[in-house]
Amino acid sequence: DTAVSQTPKYLVTQMGNDKSIKCEQNLGHDTMYWYKQDSKKFLKIMFSYNNKELIINETVPNRFSPKSPDKAHLNLHINSLELGDSAVYFCASSQFPRDSNYGYTFGSGTRLTVV
Amino acid sequence: DQQVKQNSPSLSVQEGRISILNCDYTNSMFDYFLWYKKYPAEGPTFLISISSIKDKNEDGRFTVFLNKSAKHLSLHIVPSQPGDSAVYFCAASPSGTYKYIFGTGTRLKVLA
Repeated sequence: DTAVSQTPKYLVTQMGNDKSIKCEQNLGHDTMYWYKQDSKKFLKIMFSYNNKELIINETVPNRFSPKSPDKAHLNLHINSLELGDSAVYFCASSQFPRDSNYGYTFGSGTRLTVV
Repeated sequence: DQQVKQNSPSLSVQEGRISILNCDYTNSMFDYFLWYKKYPAEGPTFLISISSIKDKNEDGRFTVFLNKSAKHLSLHIVPSQPGDSAVYFCAASPSGTYKYIFGTGTRLKVLA
């Protein structure tokens, strides 16, 4: 009974394609996030939604677009994929933005490889 | 511009001994700090946190120390167990923002 689940776990695709990664949490949390972990192991925030409202929108190419149909779901759509988009993408959730008592609950990641 | 740094990429410790993982930061506006543990092929798992109004927080075998003047925090694990072998990330959040900035992690190996 996974708390934060991401699909797919692995994604291999060609340059120029459009792809989506889905994330769902069953914890009843109000806030969800997308993080990217690159080849140097940096975990960087990309987006965050609180109750379907965008509250963090870091400087990422506008080929990346998050969508939150409800507070339990946060999907990431990527247009015109490039080689440099290859990374592990983590979804996370928390009860409150910046929850310091319980931190974030992370999904297990989606490894995206662009060839 | 790396605001949160974990300068030791790896650390090996004998089982039963103390593990000390270090983290340095540059932004004096950080007011909350978290530690996460990550096993391969899994997402990070929250371990312990500390706010800037404290200098120590303890939870079982895990203690986090914060030295604001040195902009340094450390995670102590006592006693270390083989199951503690993982990558440990520190993360810091600037006051007035919603985000956490992560370090690059330290791989801890606890030897049986």
